[in-house]
Amino acid sequence: DADVTQTPRNRITKTGKRIMLECSQTKGHDRMYWYRQDPGLGLRLIYYSFDVKDINKGEISDGYSVSRQAQAKFSLSLESAIPNQTALYFCATSDSNGRRGETQYFGPGTRLLVL
Amino acid sequence: AQTVTQSQPEMSVQEAETVTLSCTYDTSESDYYLFWYKQPPSRQMILVIRQEAYKQQNATENRFSVNFQKAAKSFSLKISDSQLGDAAMYFCAYRRPLNSGGSNYKLTFGKGTLLTVNP
Repeated sequence: DADVTQTPRNRITKTGKRIMLECSQTKGHDRMYWYRQDPGLGLRLIYYSFDVKDINKGEISDGYSVSRQAQAKFSLSLESAIPNQTALYFCATSDSNGRRGETQYFGPGTRLLVL
Repeated sequence: AQTVTQSQPEMSVQEAETVTLSCTYDTSESDYYLFWYKQPPSRQMILVIRQEAYKQQNATENRFSVNFQKAAKSFSLKISDSQLGDAAMYFCAYRRPLNSGGSNYKLTFGKGTLLTVNP
């Protein structure tokens, strides 16, 4: 079984709709992240969370919100989707325990298309 | 601000041959981490190898090795005995250590190099 899972894997929605992307992990990591990937731009950080009570904005948080429901779950919401939010979205986790905590492990990604 | 540059948008290699992917980065930090991630057509981001800046020895993982030149801020990935399954987009990434202060805990990615392996 995958350590980091994302649902749905693919989603098509319309402009103005609210949608939620979900991420779950069984790695026991305390830190979780949401990235988006656009062609030619690499990955950019949207939000990150270091524990259930700690949520932080990344470099491109406008138009997004997150919820850390439990240590193992971190959801990303688009309150009112717009076409330029069409992208591939990744959840990632890392462990704060020592220097090995610097490595992030990624989920399989969610491909979102906003019409 | 940290930046990561991958100057080769595309590379190709013959099966069983060796290929080197280039990466340079800009930082004023002395302690940091560098990574190579692989993204095959399945879209999964897979960690290939990591290097800690305080270690002088180049990291190696089976057929994958790095040439880490700290003074030159260069971090290239060498793939030996290339296999068809190595075909993917490869991303170089940089990260500051968590105890360096500030709030910039993100991975900074390059734009990627698309590797094609020819049979």
